[in-house]
Amino acid sequence: DAGVIQSPRHEVTEMGQEVTLRCKPISGHDYLFWYRQTMMRGLELLIYFNNNVPIDDSGMPEDRFSAKMPNASFSTLKIQPSEPRDSAVYFCASSLVDPTETQYFGPGTRLLVL
Amino acid sequence: GENVEQHPSTLSVQEGDSAVIKCTYSDSASNYFPWYKQELGKRPQLIIDIRSNVGEKKDQRIAVTLNKTAKHFSLHITETQPEDSAVYFCAGPAYSGAGSYQLTFGKGTKLSVIP
Repeated sequence: DAGVIQSPRHEVTEMGQEVTLRCKPISGHDYLFWYRQTMMRGLELLIYFNNNVPIDDSGMPEDRFSAKMPNASFSTLKIQPSEPRDSAVYFCASSLVDPTETQYFGPGTRLLVL
Repeated sequence: GENVEQHPSTLSVQEGDSAVIKCTYSDSASNYFPWYKQELGKRPQLIIDIRSNVGEKKDQRIAVTLNKTAKHFSLHITETQPEDSAVYFCAGPAYSGAGSYQLTFGKGTKLSVIP
């Protein structure tokens, strides 16, 4: 298995632009998680899905952020409009059958909003 | 308070010495505690984990201990090497603000091994 796949690996955009981050979880994993990592706030859980259904989005910072999971092998995290304070590394992770079990992380998307 | 607290936030050791990182948790029902290592610019990767039915687990130079009574678990790295330099995260199950039960990560410990 190729592991969790994320794209793009790097994104540089200007304030106000729409940003879409993509994730493909490990095949067969029921849970998918989106995290944001910054020096100041560490690793923050934004939202997670179980069998494509959003379970907990309490970590989503504001309405500018949205996430979808149209099928078991694909998820997107969208920021519209983007702001400089959204600059961070965004990780996608997946776990097999339980949100309290081992999570496997993707390589991350490094986002810079100018 | 935080569901999973991790200390210290930074740790410097001489090569060859041991390093210990400690985490505490609040939910007595928690039963699974993984540790992740994140090298600079890389993703967090699982290095060792422990379940609540054992008190200690070892894997070469790495060991994790669990004290269920005191609700804390620790990562021990012996004979540290420069390649052990990284940020280490502990994690444990906890309830989120929205009431869902999920793996919650500590704030991380930046370990520097000085050659």
